[in-house]
Amino acid sequence: AQSVSQHNHHVILSEAASLELGCNYSYGGTVNLFWYVQYPGQHLQLLLKYFSGDPLVKGIKGFEAEFIKSKFSFNLRKPSVQWSDTAEYFCAVIPGYNTNAGKSTFGDGTTLTVKP
Amino acid sequence: DTGVSQNPRHKITKRGQNVTFRCDPISEHNRLYWYRQTLGQGPEFLTYFQNEAQLEKSRLLSDRFSAERPKGSFSTLEIQRTEQGDSAMYLCASSTQGAHEQYFGPGTRLTVT
Repeated sequence: AQSVSQHNHHVILSEAASLELGCNYSYGGTVNLFWYVQYPGQHLQLLLKYFSGDPLVKGIKGFEAEFIKSKFSFNLRKPSVQWSDTAEYFCAVIPGYNTNAGKSTFGDGTTLTVKP
Repeated sequence: DTGVSQNPRHKITKRGQNVTFRCDPISEHNRLYWYRQTLGQGPEFLTYFQNEAQLEKSRLLSDRFSAERPKGSFSTLEIQRTEQGDSAMYLCASSTQGAHEQYFGPGTRLTVT
């Protein structure tokens, strides 16, 4: 069964610091990869996604993620965080072998607190 | 607002009672998903529909849980004989076929006392 591991449960940064959140998945085949964000009091929303092509993908609000197939990783990065980035971040994977596949597997999330 | 909506937003019930939640997806989305989320964990897949067909169901979904999407639009998730362990946030999401990115609703928080 596929699984997603997010190594950092809680990250605390000061504004303008750089961010990297780790995500590793266990699935040997083609995958679709996602980062979702949940701001306080709001519902989950898509931050960025990788299906194929350029392994460096850019999302909203200056976030980017890099897919490294050999490491089964899809780490999220942002060069300079803002207080408004305080949120919970979830990595998710869907097997890409079948366009009918719909089951997402989520990691347990990383809570990011940005101090002003 | 044309996003995914869920009702009710909160439900408190006594152990042993049945509860039903409703999800209205984005209108042009033919896929609909149900997840359960407990504190400190990510969403756990329960089941998903493509139009009215239920295509996959997690082993987490015991026989007390049933989901329907009778006309391929809104969906209901029913939990029979609720247990305290059913207390969680129940999330609904929708997507178009093949797009995979899912749009989430606000969730229904269930508390079983």
